[in-house]
Amino acid sequence: EPEVTQTPSHQVTQMGQEVILRCVPISNHLYFYWYRQILGQKVEFLVSFYNNEISEKSEIFDDQFSVERPDGSNFTLKIRSTKLEDSAMYFCASTRLAGGTDTQYFGPGTRLTVL
Amino acid sequence: GNSVTQMEGPVTLSEEAFLTINCTYTATGYPSLFWYVQYPGEGLQLLLKATKADDKGSNKGFEATYRKETTSFHLEKGSVQVSDSAVYFCALSSGNQFYFGTGTSLTVIP
Repeated sequence: EPEVTQTPSHQVTQMGQEVILRCVPISNHLYFYWYRQILGQKVEFLVSFYNNEISEKSEIFDDQFSVERPDGSNFTLKIRSTKLEDSAMYFCASTRLAGGTDTQYFGPGTRLTVL
Repeated sequence: GNSVTQMEGPVTLSEEAFLTINCTYTATGYPSLFWYVQYPGEGLQLLLKATKADDKGSNKGFEATYRKETTSFHLEKGSVQVSDSAVYFCALSSGNQFYFGTGTSLTVIP
């Protein structure tokens, strides 16, 4: 069964450093998403992406965040200058269709620790 | 706006007990509703979904019915197993955005 993959599984970085989290969505999916889950808290939407541009983004997704689909398979989340409060699990997801009825398939997550 | 309110946890049950995890939602329009499960150390997995009012989603013995009149999507299982221990998230989708509840941790003891 096809699945969403994410790398690395765990990333440790110093405050102020840039990090890039990588995702490979399911190959025939067209819509891509990033979420984050701070330890013990709810899963929060960050951004959705379609046709090489951002469709929607939340208040969390400020100027320090960016997303990119650099090639036909990868979907990346960049955090320009990490802060302690960016420490969280980051989940990538993809769907084949838009409109909300389609199931979002989630990757296993990247645990980001900012020291 | 859109939001999901989920029963607070943690919930601890004995094996074979009946499970209910309450979920209510606020939404504009006609959202789809989902239950996701997160096993320890893993990502979110779809458990079941319902895309319109009165639909019942079911999977692995779990069920939830989309109730528009009460804006609810409660998760139920008649007889839980130790392997059901996980965190359960109720979610709704509207447009291209998903809104998750805070999650309910379930522990099933033998």
